[in-house]
Formats: sequence, C-alpha cells, structure tokens
Amino acid sequence: KAGVTQTPRYLIKTRGQQVTLSCSPISGHRSVSWYQQTPGQGLQFLFEYFSETQRNKGNFPGRFSGRQFSNSRSEMNVSTLELGDSALYLCASSDSGRATDTQYFGPGTRLTVL
Amino acid sequence: AQSVTQLDSHVSVSEGTPVLLRCNYSSSYSPSLFWYVQHPNKGLQRLLKYTSAATLVKGINGFEAEFKKSETSFHLTKPSAHMSDAAEYFCVVSRRGTDSGYSTLTFGKGTMLLVSP
Repeated sequence: KAGVTQTPRYLIKTRGQQVTLSCSPISGHRSVSWYQQTPGQGLQFLFEYFSETQRNKGNFPGRFSGRQFSNSRSEMNVSTLELGDSALYLCASSDSGRATDTQYFGPGTRLTVL
Repeated sequence: AQSVTQLDSHVSVSEGTPVLLRCNYSSSYSPSLFWYVQHPNKGLQRLLKYTSAATLVKGINGFEAEFKKSETSFHLTKPSAHMSDAAEYFCVVSRRGTDSGYSTLTFGKGTMLLVSP
C-alpha cells in the first residue's frame, strides 16, 4: 500500500496570505489527523476528521481550519498567515482513530512565512 | 489531562553500547502508549505500541519498551546502538477526545539520540 502523501512538500508565503495543504491517507483509512511541529512547541494536535466530520480539535485559533472529502483525502487551510505559523505540518491517517490504532504519518509540508 | 515527559532532550551513546530513552506519562485511565522515531527530513515512524496486552513490548529495529504502571514510565531500550539509530524519538500517549471519545495523540518534547562511532 502507498503511504500517506502530502502536497506540497515545501511552501513559502508572506504574512497575511492564506495557504491550503493537502493530505492523501493510506487507502482504506478513514481517520485523518493534522499536527503542527515547531522547535519551540514540539508536536501539537490540530484536528482530526472521520467520514468528513471533524471529531476533535486542538487548541489553535480559528484561522486554522480543515475538511475531509468523501474519499478521505483532507485539506487544511490557514488564513491570514503569521510569522509564528512557520512550521512542519504533518498529516497522519489511521483506520478509525481509536486510541489503540497506530497513526501513520506523511513526510510533512514545510511552511515558511516571511 | 494527559501528559508525557521525556526526561532527556539529548542522549549520546557509542555504537554498540546500550540505549535508554526515558519517558514518564500521566493519564487518568489506562493509556495506549507509543514510541515514534523521526529521522531528519522524514516523517514519523512508529517503533512500537503498548495497549495493555503485555508490559514488555517489542518493536522494530531491535527496540523494546517496558510499561511500568507503578512508576508511570515507558522507557525505550535497545541492547546495541547502530549509527542508523541516530534520530529524534518521541514518546506518545493516546487519549480519548472529550467530545467524540476517539483518540488524539499527545507527544513528548522528543529526545535526540546521537550515536558516535
């Protein structure tokens, strides 16, 4: 099976712009989660989607949003970019998002905000 | 609330010597625990997971971890380090979301493992 894919791999934006990142989960996986990784804060949970519904959300401002399509592919959007949004954004998929499920991670999208 | 504390930000070992990466967790109920590894410019890869079936868990690449409830610890070990083990390691606890009951992952801050020849 192909792994989790994320596009684009690298992105450079300026403050105030918006950005959309894409994630394709492993075939058959229905749960997709997003994480932000920064040197200062480490890995932080953004949100999780299952069957096109957001089930869980982390402690991030409303500028961060996402959605999931019927084929389980997911996108996340960040509006009005700030310098502090520079980070590696990781997507992970699992079968159903149960606590015992292993989440499989993509390689990430490196976002730089200038 | 769930939390994970990785006790060392950096661990240095020589090739062929044992590896010990320490992790303590806090959880209000029996947790699922994982160790993930991240090599430079790569995504996260699961090394092993604990889900209450056995306290000693064997993972990939010769790693194993022991769940000790009395000490709330889940330390990662390997008998003999290889150069290829140099990477950042994350201890992770899986917790149920408050609304849906399904899980989210809480990551430790990570331990950078340095392996010298």
